[in-house]
Amino acid sequence: EPEVTQTPSHQVTQMGQEVILRCVPISNHLYFYWYRQILGQKVEFLVSFYNNEISEKSEIFDDQFSVERPDGSNFTLKIRSTKLEDSAMYFCASTEMGLSFGHEQFFGPGTRLTVL
Amino acid sequence: GNSVTQMEGPVTLSEEAFLTINCTYTATGYPSLFWYVQYPGEGLQLLLKATKADDKGSNKGFEATYRKETTSFHLEKGSVQVSDSAVYFCALRTSQGGSEKLVFGKGTKLTVNP
Repeated sequence: EPEVTQTPSHQVTQMGQEVILRCVPISNHLYFYWYRQILGQKVEFLVSFYNNEISEKSEIFDDQFSVERPDGSNFTLKIRSTKLEDSAMYFCASTEMGLSFGHEQFFGPGTRLTVL
Repeated sequence: GNSVTQMEGPVTLSEEAFLTINCTYTATGYPSLFWYVQYPGEGLQLLLKATKADDKGSNKGFEATYRKETTSFHLEKGSVQVSDSAVYFCALRTSQGGSEKLVFGKGTKLTVNP
C-alpha cells in the first residue's frame, strides 16, 4: 500500500541553525501539507501546497519557514533559523485531490525536531 | 475560530472494556468531522468520518455520531482490544472558503491491557 514517508525520523539541531525536513508524498497525489505538534499540545496546520505554490498557510508559518517541491517527488519544509519553540513533531500529509472534494489526507510518521 | 476539544488522556482500559473518547468542536458553517488514529511509530490514519449532522461514521468496531445540537463527535467502541492501543485525534475541516486544512484536538492516548 502506498504511504507517505518522512526523513529523518529525529533531527537534533542547535538554535539558529537551518533545518530541512523531507517528505515523499504518495506518487499520484497533488496536494501537500505540513502540520506540527508541540509536545502535549494540538496538532497544528502549517501550510498547504498545490501546483507548486502555497495555497494556504497559518500564522505560525512566518518568514522563517519555506516549502519546496524540488524534484517532483520530494516535498520539503525548511526552517531558516531554528528557535527553541520550533521543537515539535512535524507531520507531512498528501491528498490525491483537495479535501473539499472529500479526499482523505494521508500522513507520514513524522519527524521529531529537537532544538537545543 | 474553529477548534476541537477532546478528553484529556491517558486512558487505560482492560481488554473487552467499553471505550468513549469525548470530542466537542467549535466551528463556523457546517464542518466535516474526523477521527484519526496513530499507532506507535506510524503516521496518523483516518479511522472514520462524518460529513453532516446525524451521520454516523464507523470502522473497525469504532463509531462516532455527528451531533450538531451538542457540537460533539464522541468516539466509542463496545469492546476494545490490546491492538487498539494508540493515540486518537479528533479533527474537523471547515466547509468555508475552500479551506484545505484540518483542525485537530490534542489527542488522547489509549492503552489497553490484556
